[in-house]
Amino acid sequence: NAGVTQTPKFQVLKTGQSMTLQCAQDMNHEYMSWYRQDPGMGLRLIHYSVGAGITDQGEVPNGYNVSRSTTEDFPLRLLSAAPSQTSVYFCASSPSGGSTDTQYFGPGTRLTVL
Amino acid sequence: AQSVAQPEDQVNVAEGNPLTVKCTYSVSGNPYLFWYVQYPNRGLQFLLKYITGDNLVKGSYGFEAEFNKSQTSFHLKKPSALVSDSALYFCAVKRGNQAGTALIFGKGTTLSVSS
Repeated sequence: NAGVTQTPKFQVLKTGQSMTLQCAQDMNHEYMSWYRQDPGMGLRLIHYSVGAGITDQGEVPNGYNVSRSTTEDFPLRLLSAAPSQTSVYFCASSPSGGSTDTQYFGPGTRLTVL
Repeated sequence: AQSVAQPEDQVNVAEGNPLTVKCTYSVSGNPYLFWYVQYPNRGLQFLLKYITGDNLVKGSYGFEAEFNKSQTSFHLKKPSALVSDSALYFCAVKRGNQAGTALIFGKGTTLSVSS
């Protein structure tokens, strides 16, 4: 199993550009989520999905869109990048998203918005 | 509201000495607590979790954590630190008791083990 994979590893954007961060998992997990990590702030939840066709907002959803057309993939879209979105983005998955589930994280995407 | 606090930004310990990374939590209902480790330029790796039962939880790489309900704490411990344990450690709590619950993370503690 590859686990949770993310592409790209690094990305530099100009303000106003759009892009999609890719996330895939091969563990047949129902629950997937996106976090951003900023220095001194831990990880904050952006969006999550409890299954194909179902998504919901997390703590910091503004400026981001998600969709879940398959169990395996959960892309994160930045519609119009802003410098405040400079961060490291992590995708995670777990079997069902239940309270006792362990979430497994991808290696991250480091995004810089100029 | 659920929250997690890691009161120390950095913990320094000499190799071979015991280490403790502190975590306190605030949650309504039963707490489900997790520890993750992040090595430089890597993703988060799961170390251990407390769901119910024995207050001492054993995890990966020789780490363990002690759940203390009266002190609302879940400190991470290791009897003998290694230089390779140097990393960023996150404590987290699960919110809710249904599908779609999210991890609430502390701000992280940097562990530095000197040789």
